[in-house]
Amino acid sequence: AQSVTQLDSQVPVFEEAPVELRCNYSSSVSVYLFWYVQYPNQGLQLLLKYLSGSTLVESINGFEAEFNKSQTSFHLRKPSVHISDTAEYFCAQSGVEGNAGNMLTFGGGTRLMVKP
Amino acid sequence: GAGVSQTPSNKVTEKGKYVELRCDPISGHTALYWYRQSLGQGPEFLIYFQGTGAADDSGLPNDRFFAVRPEGSVSTLKIQRTERGDSAVYLCASSLTIGLATGNEQFFGPGTRLTVL
Repeated sequence: AQSVTQLDSQVPVFEEAPVELRCNYSSSVSVYLFWYVQYPNQGLQLLLKYLSGSTLVESINGFEAEFNKSQTSFHLRKPSVHISDTAEYFCAQSGVEGNAGNMLTFGGGTRLMVKP
Repeated sequence: GAGVSQTPSNKVTEKGKYVELRCDPISGHTALYWYRQSLGQGPEFLIYFQGTGAADDSGLPNDRFFAVRPEGSVSTLKIQRTERGDSAVYLCASSLTIGLATGNEQFFGPGTRLTVL
């Protein structure tokens, strides 16, 4: 069975500091990987995704994640965070074929708390 | 509508009661998904539909849970004989078609928070 582990439940950081949110997946077959963000009182929104090709993927608001197959990781990074980045971040994976390619398996989430 | 909508936003019920949770997907989306998010955890897959049929219901926890999508648009998640452990946020998502490849994203609704007393 697929599983996703987010190693940190909470990450406090000061504004303008760099941040890394860690994510490890477990699958012996090909996977798609995703990061979703949930702002307070809002629904889940897709932040970025890795499907194939370049292992480094970027979002429009400065986040990036790198697919590392040997370490089965997909850590999310941002070089300088803003107060507005305060949210819950979920890493997720899916298979690429069949029913496994239609459902998302989520990690437990990491709450990013940006302090002034 | 512009996005996935779910009603009610909050539902409080008593143990043993029956509840229905509704999801209106984005117009034109053929695939619809239900997830459950317990407190402090990530969402867990319950069931997904392609059109009117349930393509995979392997995530439903037991036979008290059932979902329908009779006309291939709106879906209703039904929970019989609710238990306190059913308390969670129930999320609905829709996508243009099945699969998560390029250009096909799952869009999530705001969720229904179910509290079973």
